[in-house]
Amino acid sequence: QKEVEQDPGPLSVPEGAIVSLNCTYSNSAFQYFMWYRQYSRKGPELLMYTYSSGNKEDGRFTAQVDKSSKYISLFIRDSQPSDSATYLCAMSGGYGGSQGNLIFGKGTKLSVKP
Amino acid sequence: GAVVSQHPSRVICKSGTSVKIECRSLDFQATTMFWYRQFPKQSLMLMATSNEGSKATYEQGVEKDKFLINHASLTLSTLTVTSAHPEDSSFYICSARVTGGNTEAFFGQGTRLTVV
Repeated sequence: QKEVEQDPGPLSVPEGAIVSLNCTYSNSAFQYFMWYRQYSRKGPELLMYTYSSGNKEDGRFTAQVDKSSKYISLFIRDSQPSDSATYLCAMSGGYGGSQGNLIFGKGTKLSVKP
Repeated sequence: GAVVSQHPSRVICKSGTSVKIECRSLDFQATTMFWYRQFPKQSLMLMATSNEGSKATYEQGVEKDKFLINHASLTLSTLTVTSAHPEDSSFYICSARVTGGNTEAFFGQGTRLTVV
């Protein structure tokens, strides 16, 4: 079993839809959870950063972490064509040493149609 | 957010030559920088962890003599692909972690290397 599982998609939705992106993980030591957005041939851009369980909201984006289920989600409200990108989840066990290294999901390719 | 600049964004080189890629943290100090490789439709694969003033830590299967990493200052890390071969063609991305900050990392724009 891989440490982080993410459905690669592709996921296609109409403009204005609510998008739900998810990752599951197996390592209970993970405490830091991130979502990155990557446009084609560009480096990943940090969208959301969450520590431990709970919700975090930033504009149209909401990140949820359920450590008991080892499941994290990213919701995008009122999706726009400009949201079309690959979304990568990432997580780590802590700041220092190898525990601080990020483990990435494969990424979900999202396409928002006008 | 913090800005990481990576240069060049694209490079084409001949087989057998060496290529240097630079990664700079523009507005923060980064004790730790990371180098990733990404093949098409694949996720980021960590190649090595670069620590300022010390030797890099390479992931299993990554040849340290082929992928030379230097992190001589708190704002600059370089990756040199030596004796490049066509199979080294890939998208190379660096990231940097703010010294004393949280665990999130900020990424450069990536370098697309094509070896012909």
